[in-house]
Amino acid sequence: DAKTTQPTSMDCAEGRAANLPCNHSTISGNEYVYWYRQIHSQGPQYIIHGLKNNETNEMASLIITEDRKSSTLILPHATLRDTAVYYCIVRLPYSGNTPLVFGKGTRLSVIA
Amino acid sequence: DVKVTQSSRYLVKRTGEKVFLECVQDMDHENMFWYRQDPGLGLRLIYFSYDVKMKEKGDIPEGYSVSREKKERFSLILESASTNQTSMYLCASSFGARSSYEQYFGPGTRLTVT
Repeated sequence: DAKTTQPTSMDCAEGRAANLPCNHSTISGNEYVYWYRQIHSQGPQYIIHGLKNNETNEMASLIITEDRKSSTLILPHATLRDTAVYYCIVRLPYSGNTPLVFGKGTRLSVIA
Repeated sequence: DVKVTQSSRYLVKRTGEKVFLECVQDMDHENMFWYRQDPGLGLRLIYFSYDVKMKEKGDIPEGYSVSREKKERFSLILESASTNQTSMYLCASSFGARSSYEQYFGPGTRLTVT
């Protein structure tokens, strides 16, 4: 799996969009980008994943650059409940039976 | 709604005790995983299982064993608990290799060994 780089921490005002960047310059052509988050004292939670097209679901949007070397997770209207550590992970498809490798992630603090 | 449950949220055990951590999923997933999470070290894989009675060592299996007698249940066993096994233990499950890629996590068990 390709290595990812994320900022250690970010702040966001409640109600504003939170944009979390991730660099994955060594990503290979068939690796997907996944995002998980972990709220304090809970297990990690899957958010979204994508290959090269932008993706949106009820939780977030994922924007992947054309060269696929970086991506941005967007929480359109951040709430206090979105305060968590966000992990960007790059991995091959059809790898459901292999463990996830979590880096240090970005600690997002949503401020009232 | 998908669900992974763990037997305890908090557990306190004494050094040398045998400890059982249970994980149950109701999604008919083939794969199940045990991780531990420590400050500054992130999540580390202990063991995983891709089928009933099958197991594979992860990055840090020493001092642990696992059991998967039924598809829905994956147990982590600390044969003789030690203080350096004080940690948050997280169980996860996922579909088989050819389908969905996301892993679903339980709420975690915070184990303290005194």
